[in-house]
Amino acid sequence: AQSVAQPEDQVKVAEGNPLTVKCTYSVSGNPYLFWYVQYPNRGLQFLLKYITGDNLVKGSYGFEAEFNKSQTSFHLKKPSALVSDSALYFCAVRDRPGRRALTFGSGTRLQVQP
Amino acid sequence: DARVTQTPRHKVTEMGQEVTMRCQPILGHNTVFWYRQTMMQGLELLAYFRNRAPLDDSGMPKDRFSAEMPDATLATLKIQPSEPRDSAVYFCASGPLGSGVNEKLFFGSGTQLSVL
Repeated sequence: AQSVAQPEDQVKVAEGNPLTVKCTYSVSGNPYLFWYVQYPNRGLQFLLKYITGDNLVKGSYGFEAEFNKSQTSFHLKKPSALVSDSALYFCAVRDRPGRRALTFGSGTRLQVQP
Repeated sequence: DARVTQTPRHKVTEMGQEVTMRCQPILGHNTVFWYRQTMMQGLELLAYFRNRAPLDDSGMPKDRFSAEMPDATLATLKIQPSEPRDSAVYFCASGPLGSGVNEKLFFGSGTQLSVL
């Protein structure tokens, strides 16, 4: 079964510092990987995806993610964190080849401190 | 901006009552999903529709949950009878045709369900 793991429940960074939210994946076949963000009392919002191509994927709000096949990782990054980036971040993978449904990780709460 | 609309936003009910949650997917989207979010289990896929046909509802307790798409503009999730363990936030999401640049889901704001 396709799965993703987010090893950190919470990440704290200071505003202006770079941030990394970690994700590792386990898939059979080609991985279709995603990052979503959830703000309080809201649904999830798409940030970026990796389907194929460049290992560095750029997304919304200045976020990017690096796909690393040898380490089976897809970490989310941002060069300079903002307080407004504080939210719950989910890594996700297509749950089965050929399907659009996603399996989500457990989520990482990002707290950016002023 | 086009958005997925879910109603109601909040629902408090007593154990044993029927609960119906509704979702209006984005016009033109052909895939619809129901997810449940809890602290303990995270996000779980309950049901998955493509072109209004159910592709997968294996994530739902069949004895009490049912999901339907009576038309392309409405998806429903029903719980009958409801139980306290059903308390969660239920999200509907829709996705457009195609792949590649269309490979993303759009989520509604969810229905927060509390079963007392």
